[in-house]
Amino acid sequence: DAGVTQSPTHLIKTRGQHVTLRCSPISGHKSVSWYQQVLGQGPQFIFQYYEKEERGRGNFPDRFSARQFPNYSSELNVNALLLGDSALYLCASSLVGYYEQYFGPGTRLTVT
Amino acid sequence: QQQVKQSPQSLIVQKGGIPIINCAYENTAFDYFPWYQQFPGKGPALLIAIRPDVSEKKEGRFTISFNKSAKQFSLHIMDSQPGDSATYFCAARESGGGADGLTFGKGTHLIIQP
Repeated sequence: DAGVTQSPTHLIKTRGQHVTLRCSPISGHKSVSWYQQVLGQGPQFIFQYYEKEERGRGNFPDRFSARQFPNYSSELNVNALLLGDSALYLCASSLVGYYEQYFGPGTRLTVT
Repeated sequence: QQQVKQSPQSLIVQKGGIPIINCAYENTAFDYFPWYQQFPGKGPALLIAIRPDVSEKKEGRFTISFNKSAKQFSLHIMDSQPGDSATYFCAARESGGGADGLTFGKGTHLIIQP
């Protein structure tokens, strides 16, 4: 079975631009969470979605938003990019009601 | 405020040795404690996890020891191999609130020397 997939793999954007990152969960997983991992640090929780609704949010500004589609895939959107948004963005999927989260390979975002 | 404190930051062990990575927390609402392994350029991979009602869990060469009263837990890697060289993260999930977002430690860069 395929694991969590994310696209694109790498992305370079300019300050002030907008970016959209995509995630497809493991087949059968209906919950998707997004994390930001800055170089040299542990991942930081951004959002969790299941049943197309936001179920939890970490300490991130409103420039960060997400949505989940009927097929349980998800998009993370970041507006008005800052240099500090440069990071590896990770998507994790899980079965609803289960705590185990499985991560994708991430999207490396560089903001110049 | 760092809710999960991980140590050491880096660790070098000879092949066959037993590296031990420690984590401490303050939030008593944490109810699930996973460990992840991450190789450069890859996403974190779930290794093993424990709940607070268990003091020890083993899966293959990986063991978690959990001390609820001290609010500490640790990862032991038995018979370590050079292929175990990676960054290891402990994490914790907070019960209630309806979300399963994990709080991660800062990571331990482990090198197993041949």
